[in-house]
Amino acid sequence: EVEVVDSGGGLLEPGRSLRLSCTASGFTFGDYAMSWFRQAPGKGLEWISFIRSKAYGGTAEYAASVKGRFTISRDDSKSIAYLQMNSLTTEDTALYYCARGGLYDTSGYPFDYWGQGTLVTVSS
Amino acid sequence: DIQMTQSPSSLSASVGDRVTITCRASQSTSGYLNWYQQRPGKAPKLLIFTTSRLQSGVPPRFSGTGSGTDFTLTVSSLQPEDFATYYCQQSYRTPYTFGQGTKLEIK
Repeated sequence: EVEVVDSGGGLLEPGRSLRLSCTASGFTFGDYAMSWFRQAPGKGLEWISFIRSKAYGGTAEYAASVKGRFTISRDDSKSIAYLQMNSLTTEDTALYYCARGGLYDTSGYPFDYWGQGTLVTVSS
Repeated sequence: DIQMTQSPSSLSASVGDRVTITCRASQSTSGYLNWYQQRPGKAPKLLIFTTSRLQSGVPPRFSGTGSGTDFTLTVSSLQPEDFATYYCQQSYRTPYTFGQGTKLEIK
């Protein structure tokens, strides 16, 4: 059974950093692209980043709202995707979700398995 | 960026009703249009992908149609568990964008 579990959220002050983890099981993690999304309180869904499988270069893309501050990475030996978040602002307060993309890439694929979300609150 | 616009933003309906939600993209998504259901406090759940393909395990009362820039999600006979928020999303081009959501409420 495919499972995705998000973790690492917390309460922190503006300007600080945080790393989120996305632990997957039930599929060959290294073959799939993985993505992060977020949902601010009472708002809709926002895609923020994805990382391709190593077979497709392991490259990443980012939304403009996080580019230069957030970094996605993956450890295929542990079946974990990470989201390193730096220079956090109050605008980054949201529930963060990890989801599985397509085989190797995300282009044209849906996001079929989602974690339960991990809450990041940025406040002074 | 491809802008996604859903209508209506909210909808009241009764168990057994047939409902349709529409999604319009600001440019063609080449059919790479997906629908998700989100119940309160839960993660999004994939219902329909690539316009009309039903995700495994999703009841057949859910269906999707469309092409080009205009898409629809239909629930043929609402069940109590279907009252939730629905989002369309394009996976054609980054940034992958969502509609603003349609909240389906019990009448």
